Amino acid sequence: AQTVTQSQPEMSVQEAETVTLSCTYDTSESDYYLFWYKQPPSRQMILVIRQEAYKQQNATENRFSVNFQKAAKSFSLKISDSQLGDAAMYFCALPKGGSEKLVFGKGMKLTVNP
Amino acid sequence: SAVISQKPSRDICQRGTSLTIQCQVDSQVTMMFWYRQQPGQSLTLIATANQGSEATYESGFVIDKFPISRPNLTFSTLTVSNMSPEDSSIYLCSAMTGYGYTFGSGTRLTVV
Repeated sequence: AQTVTQSQPEMSVQEAETVTLSCTYDTSESDYYLFWYKQPPSRQMILVIRQEAYKQQNATENRFSVNFQKAAKSFSLKISDSQLGDAAMYFCALPKGGSEKLVFGKGMKLTVNP
Repeated sequence: SAVISQKPSRDICQRGTSLTIQCQVDSQVTMMFWYRQQPGQSLTLIATANQGSEATYESGFVIDKFPISRPNLTFSTLTVSNMSPEDSSIYLCSAMTGYGYTFGSGTRLTVV
């Protein structure tokens, strides 16, 4: 069964600094997608970045990049030049095997200090 | 990417009553998903809604409590029936659209 683990419930970072959010997962699939979502206090779920497991190259979207290690089943998110607007809950997610149903980690609250 | 309009955004309901939440997608999607997010927690999938067939419920969720309709490829509703304070949560709909999964803005439900 698919599991997604985010072991750090909270983190804080200084504005303009870099922070890395960790995520590990378990799946029996060989080809799959991994996602990071951001949920600010407005509760809107916002897609931050997507990684395709068959691609060795790590995904990058502006200040957001991932460190994807397929063998280790690790999918961490790096936020560079942190901004106050990055403060939110961050969720790692993976589709349940053979389906489109997303399984989410418990989430991590990121605080950005000015 | 697609946009999902969800309403109501919030409601306060009396116990024993029902609330219907609506989600409208601006493009056709095959499957829609309904999630519950209890205070301070992650998202838990309630059910998957396909057009033209019964919704598929996850373990711990039943149709009598959370009936779902999916009349066409752009619209779905979730009803929370016979509500109790334990149903106080955020409810979100979602669909896979293009690059990833798009979510509605959520419904914050408080049952008193």
